[in-house]
Amino acid sequence: SQQGEEDPQALSIQEGENATMNCSYKTSINNLQWYRQNSGRGLVHLILIRSNEREKHSGRLRVTLDTSKKSSSLLITASRAADTASYFCASRSGGSYIPTFGRGTSLIVHP
Amino acid sequence: DAGVTQSPTHLIKTRGQQVTLRCSPKSGHDTVSWYQQALGQGPQFIFQYYEEEERQRGNFPDRFSGHQFPNYSSELNVNALLLGDSALYLCASSLASERWNEQFFGPGTRLTVL
Repeated sequence: SQQGEEDPQALSIQEGENATMNCSYKTSINNLQWYRQNSGRGLVHLILIRSNEREKHSGRLRVTLDTSKKSSSLLITASRAADTASYFCASRSGGSYIPTFGRGTSLIVHP
Repeated sequence: DAGVTQSPTHLIKTRGQQVTLRCSPKSGHDTVSWYQQALGQGPQFIFQYYEEEERQRGNFPDRFSGHQFPNYSSELNVNALLLGDSALYLCASSLASERWNEQFFGPGTRLTVL
């Protein structure tokens, strides 16, 4: 079963625009991670946000976490064609060692 | 500093055959997890190995088995292959003592079952 669900499933934007992806999860979490995956390749870790954090930044990436709404968002500012990829959230909860992934958001950035 | 490596990159098998996939963790990591990712889906957890033992297992049949070696590398074995086993198999490594369990993924092995 999948703990997190990303929204939207697909997003198509022009280069320079901002892209926002959302993730909802079902149970209380210890942390939540965002990953990027380029066309059938391995996952690249982007940001980990802990349950006691509300916002984190890394370059053009901004992640927020709202534990009361059980949701997180990933914002990519000033998008580039190279940002075209699938983006996944993965949450870890309770005593589990394992992050549970959603189905991902497919982002296409047109040059 | 070598990241997570997996071999082979691609593999084509026929139904009923057996396959072994290999993973070397990131330097300094002691825990290896395996995931199956079907086309258009997120990764699904298969199992995790730590100290050469299976520590946690997802909802996969016994046809899926694994092993971890003393150097922390790992193998995933799948017996009696089915068409539905066609997927990208991802290996991730982490450090057990690291509180936040950040996982680093390899490039994956693309398995096609004909």
